[in-house]
Amino acid sequence: KQEVTQIPAALSVPEGENLVLNCSFTDSAIYNLQWFRQDPGKGLTSLLLIQSSQREQTSGRLNASLDKSSGRSTLYIAASQPGDSATYLCAVVSQGGKLIFGQGTELSVKP
Amino acid sequence: NAGVTQTPKFQVLKTGQSMTLQCAQDMNHEYMSWYRQDPGMGLRLIHYSVGAGITDQGEVPNGYNVSRSTTEDFPLRLLSAAPSQTSVYFCASSKGFNEQFFGPGTRLTVL
Repeated sequence: KQEVTQIPAALSVPEGENLVLNCSFTDSAIYNLQWFRQDPGKGLTSLLLIQSSQREQTSGRLNASLDKSSGRSTLYIAASQPGDSATYLCAVVSQGGKLIFGQGTELSVKP
Repeated sequence: NAGVTQTPKFQVLKTGQSMTLQCAQDMNHEYMSWYRQDPGMGLRLIHYSVGAGITDQGEVPNGYNVSRSTTEDFPLRLLSAAPSQTSVYFCASSKGFNEQFFGPGTRLTVL
């Protein structure tokens, strides 16, 4: 059974710092991996989708990498801002488009 | 495009009542799915569909029914509500294994 783990569960950094969020999965037979952001009481906003054949994907200050063989993905956030404070979720995409989520990393960026 | 829409935003039910959570998308996506989000449990898949007339069970299907008569709509029915079904419900859609988009969620309380 696929399991997805995110470390750390919570992270607090000062504004301007570069940071890395980690996601690991137990079964490398995935179609894609997607990173989401969730603000308190809100829905999920898609940040990046990495196809299984890709090694990384970039959008603005965000860069996500994927290493299927080791079952790992990282989300790199450059020059963090207070507006980046949210919970970040990674999800592996399996057959039928089903998403299996990690528990998330709660990020707090202090001014 | 309205994207993925969900109604209602909030609902309070009494134990034993039934109701339908509505989900619609206007992006002509084949794949649609329902998740529930609970503190400490993360997001878990209830039911999913890869096209009109095709549905399948996810991780936590008990107590829920779905049908998919059109590409656009994927309603979730609670047959006899129980307090354990108190949760936030999210609907998602995608075109195949591409990026998944989530609705704003329905916050359900069962007394």
